[in-house]
Amino acid sequence: KQEVTQIPAALSVPEGENLVLNCSFTDSAIYNLQWFRQDPGKGLTSLLLIQSSQREQTSGRLNASLDKSSGRSTLYIAASQPGDSATYLCAGEETSGSRLTFGEGTQLTVNP
Amino acid sequence: EAGVAQSPRYKIIEKRQSVAFWCNPISGHATLYWYQQILGQGPKLLIQFQNNGVVDDSQLPKDRFSAERLKGVDSTLKIQPAKLEDSAVYLCASSSLRQGAHEQFFGPGTRLTVL
Repeated sequence: KQEVTQIPAALSVPEGENLVLNCSFTDSAIYNLQWFRQDPGKGLTSLLLIQSSQREQTSGRLNASLDKSSGRSTLYIAASQPGDSATYLCAGEETSGSRLTFGEGTQLTVNP
Repeated sequence: EAGVAQSPRYKIIEKRQSVAFWCNPISGHATLYWYQQILGQGPKLLIQFQNNGVVDDSQLPKDRFSAERLKGVDSTLKIQPAKLEDSAVYLCASSSLRQGAHEQFFGPGTRLTVL
């Protein structure tokens, strides 16, 4: 059974800092991995999807990497802004189109 | 492109009452998912549909939860009777195969409080 762990559970940084959020999974047979952002009281916004044949994806100030052999994914946020404050969730897919197994998220606060 | 729509956004009921949630996926998305997110946790899949057929309902408490997706478009999730531990946000997501991947897109969720 796939289990996903996110470290740290909470992170507070000053504006402008570069930061890394970590995600680890127990089963290296993960297919695709998706990173989401969740604002308080809102649904999930898809940030990046890394397909099984890829090692990383980039969108603006965000870069996500996937290392299946070590069971890890990282989300790198460059030059953080107060608007980046939210909970970030990673989720793994075991086969194409199957359920996502989520971590518990990292709550990020970027202070002005 | 319109996103995933859900209603109601909030619902408060007493235990043992019944409740229903509605979801309209992104147009053309064949796969629809219902997730339950308890406060402080990541979402957990309840049921997955491919068109109007059930693909995965292994984590659905079938004694009290039911879901249907008539005509392969809209879906409803029902709880009857509700328990205190059902208080959570119920998220609907949809996906389609594009560029070799099923990227899931989520609706705003329905926040259920059971008193």
